[in-house]
Amino acid sequence: QQKVQQSPESLIVPEGGMASLNCTSSDRNVDYFWWYRQHSGKSPKMLMSIFSNGEKEEGRFTVHLNKASLHTSLHIRDSQPSDSALYLCAASGANSAGNKLTFGIGTRVLVRP
Amino acid sequence: AQTIHQWPVAEIKAVGSPLSLGCTIKGKSSPNLYWYWQATGGTLQQLFYSITVGQVESVVQLNLSASRPKDDQFILSTEKLLLSHSGFYLCAWSPGTVYEQYFGPGTRLTVL
Repeated sequence: QQKVQQSPESLIVPEGGMASLNCTSSDRNVDYFWWYRQHSGKSPKMLMSIFSNGEKEEGRFTVHLNKASLHTSLHIRDSQPSDSALYLCAASGANSAGNKLTFGIGTRVLVRP
Repeated sequence: AQTIHQWPVAEIKAVGSPLSLGCTIKGKSSPNLYWYWQATGGTLQQLFYSITVGQVESVVQLNLSASRPKDDQFILSTEKLLLSHSGFYLCAWSPGTVYEQYFGPGTRLTVL
């Protein structure tokens, strides 16, 4: 049973459209969420992190967090072909030994021109 | 600026042969270091972490071992490779706990 569940598994978005990705942790000890983007054959790069309830926006990317339900979502507006990638959600707890990150299986996003 | 290097870039090895993968971080003293493994089409799984030289903690047992011989170096190894060891191995660092982890370029391992 994955402790970090992501949905959907894959997503096709028209260029210029909005992509919405979801992530939920089943571990009540989680305090922090991270969103990473991994282009094919490359290593993951962090997009955004969120630690408090509410919303955080950076450019075309917005993340939401509901700590009560341990649910976070990532929204990409005005999607571009370069946004096509695997999006990984990760969670960690303040008391995680060695800053252990638990990753979900990811959402594969394809932006169609 | 900090840089992270991994070597080799890719390896093709036979089942039962030994393996050594390396990672170095430049421009940051006393980083936290991590090894991850990603099977093809799979998620990232943390294997080991190290907070200080000479100390390594195992997160998942995959018949692999890790060592941190210097502050800026992290080594992943095994004496006998299995088919299941194939995948993408990523080294990462962070300034401390509860910080972003920065990933290296990775080593792609194929075990035949």
